[in-house]
Amino acid sequence: QVQLVQSGAEVKKPGASVKVSCKASGYTLSNHGISWVRQAPGQGLEWMGWVSTYNGNTNYIQEFQGRVTMTTDTSTNTAYMELRSLLSDDTAVYYCARGGSGWSLDYWGQGTLVTVPS
Amino acid sequence: QSGLTQPPSASGSPGQSVTISCTGTSSDVGGYNYVSWYQQHPGKAPKLMIYEVSKRPSGVPDRFSGSKSGNTASLTVSGLQAEDEADYYCNSYAGSNNLRVFGGGTKLTVL
Repeated sequence: QVQLVQSGAEVKKPGASVKVSCKASGYTLSNHGISWVRQAPGQGLEWMGWVSTYNGNTNYIQEFQGRVTMTTDTSTNTAYMELRSLLSDDTAVYYCARGGSGWSLDYWGQGTLVTVPS
Repeated sequence: QSGLTQPPSASGSPGQSVTISCTGTSSDVGGYNYVSWYQQHPGKAPKLMIYEVSKRPSGVPDRFSGSKSGNTASLTVSGLQAEDEADYYCNSYAGSNNLRVFGGGTKLTVL
C-alpha cells in the first residue's frame, strides 16, 4: 500500500535551516509529483510548492521563493524539503503529499513538527 | 495568490445534510475542474474526500458529494454521522506550473 513516512520532529534556532524527508513506499516515486503543505498551530493548510519527481522541476509560492528548496532522490524513493533562515512564524507541522488525479493530493505523510522558538 | 474563501464553521444534527462552500476566482475554482476536498481530524493528516469537483476516491462514503457553479465549489455531507465532525478544506489548481491554493477551512460540528 502507498505510504509516505516523514522524518521526526525538529527544534531549530531562528536563522537556522531545517531539512524534512519524506520516504515513499508502495509505488514508484517518479510517477507522481510531491507537494509540501504546512499548518501553523491552530491554523489552516498552506500549500508551499511542488517538485516533479520525474525531472526535478519545482514551483514554489512567492512567500517561500529564495528560502525553500524541494528535491527528490529516486534512488531511495525519498523527497526532501529544506527551509532556510527560519523565523518563529515558521513553527508548523510540515506535510508531504503525493500528487493524484486531477491535481489532488491523494496520499499524505504523517507530518513533521518544526519548532522555532522566538 | 489569495486563498479560497470558506465559512469558518458549519453544523448539523445526525442524519441531516450540510453544505460547505468554497469561493475562488476565474483563475482557480472557476477556471478548472480541479477542485478537491480534504477532511482533517484533530492531530491527524488530511484525507482526500473529493477530487475533480465531484469524484470520490475508493473508500470514501457516497454520503460525501461535490459540485461547482462558476467560481464557487461545494461539499455536501448527507446523513451526518458523529465521525464526520472534522475540519474540511477545499483546494484548487491555479494554473501557472502546478500552483495550488487552499481554502481557510471549515469546522464541521455534528450537534
